[in-house]
Amino acid sequence: QVQLVQSGAEVKKPGASVKVSCKASGYTFTSYGISWVRQAPGQGLEWMGWISAYNGDTDYPQKVQGRVTMTTDTSTSTAYMELRSLRSDDTAVYYCARGGRSLPGSMDVWGKGTTVIVST
Amino acid sequence: DIQMTQSPFSLSASVGDRVTITCRASQNINSNLIWYQQKPGKAPKLLIYATSSLQSGVPSRFSGSGSGTDFTLTISSLQPEDFATYYCQQNSSTPLTFGGGTKVEI
Repeated sequence: QVQLVQSGAEVKKPGASVKVSCKASGYTFTSYGISWVRQAPGQGLEWMGWISAYNGDTDYPQKVQGRVTMTTDTSTSTAYMELRSLRSDDTAVYYCARGGRSLPGSMDVWGKGTTVIVST
Repeated sequence: DIQMTQSPFSLSASVGDRVTITCRASQNINSNLIWYQQKPGKAPKLLIYATSSLQSGVPSRFSGSGSGTDFTLTISSLQPEDFATYYCQQNSSTPLTFGGGTKVEI
């Protein structure tokens, strides 16, 4: 079945970086893109950006531009999101979700989420 | 950025009730509106895309309508498994943005 399996929880100190992985299976990875969405404790959903697994195009919101990098490894059908210069307000559950190949679009398959805690 | 405003923030309903949630965009997004359902501790689940198209496997008691700036999610007869938080999202332009969520409680 179509699924996205994310890496495990992370605890980081302020100023550090975190890299979360999302391994896809059950579909042709390069026919879609991957969006990343985060959810701070008790809060709503925030889009962190998108990458096309077809050609590597990316789209990041200005809020995280310069701190986030999304990549894919088509040989392993895995997407990655790296967030740098972590702050306490980056503490959240980070989800990857399958999106469009050429544009982010709707997100029809989601990973279970990766908890990232930023704390001294 | 396009702002998405949902109302109400929360609502209490009973099994069998008809429930309506509204979502307003800060500018015209045509029909580029999506609805998700999220249960506690779980990832969001796609319910409806392109305003009114039901995602495969989603029960027909869910429906969506609207265009331009005003949209509605309707649950025709609330079931026990529908108690959750619902989010709208626009995909008219990036950055993609979500509404603040509507919690449907017993």
